[in-house]
Amino acid sequence: NAGVMQNPRHLVRRRGQEARLRCSPMKGHSHVYWYRQLPEEGLKFMVYLQKENIIDESGMPKERFSAEFPKEGPSILRIQQVVRGDSAAYFCASSQQPQETQYFGPGTRLLVL
Amino acid sequence: AQSVTQPDIHITVSEGASLELRCNYSYGATPYLFWYVQSPGQGLQLLLKYFSGDTLVQGIKGFEAEFKRSQSSFNLRKPSVHWSDAAEYFCAVDPGTASKLTFGTGTRLQVTL
Repeated sequence: NAGVMQNPRHLVRRRGQEARLRCSPMKGHSHVYWYRQLPEEGLKFMVYLQKENIIDESGMPKERFSAEFPKEGPSILRIQQVVRGDSAAYFCASSQQPQETQYFGPGTRLLVL
Repeated sequence: AQSVTQPDIHITVSEGASLELRCNYSYGATPYLFWYVQSPGQGLQLLLKYFSGDTLVQGIKGFEAEFKRSQSSFNLRKPSVHWSDAAEYFCAVDPGTASKLTFGTGTRLQVTL
């Protein structure tokens, strides 16, 4: 049973470009969570999605960030017009049911030049 | 809002020595509690979790943690540390309703030979 998959593992963008991060949950999991880890810090919750629904986006910045989890395909975290402060590791997790154990992917490390 | 405190930013132990990593949480009810480990450049791996029942929880790699309600603590222990245990350890809390984890800032473990 493959774990949570994230790609790309590393992403370099220049200021003003768009970043798209993809997450494929574990097989049988329909709940996806995105977290951001800034250098030397713990993970901070961003958004919780089920298929085609955003359940909780209380941790998402109000501008430039969006997330989706379509009926088919991976979950996408999209960052428009990236700035240097967006440089971080972005982790995706999935669970079979809400309030069950979340399993994490290897992360995407975004570097904004 | 709930919070998680890991008071030790960095700990160094000798291989073979015992280990205890501290975690305190602030929340009105008993939350779900987790310990994750992160090796450099990697994602998070679940070590153990506490949902209810026996307050001493056994995890992978020889780790255990004890939930103490009176102290709002969930400390991680290992009787004999191996060099491969060097990593960053994160305590996390899920209040059981929001389905989003709140992480501590992490404790970086260094193991000397």
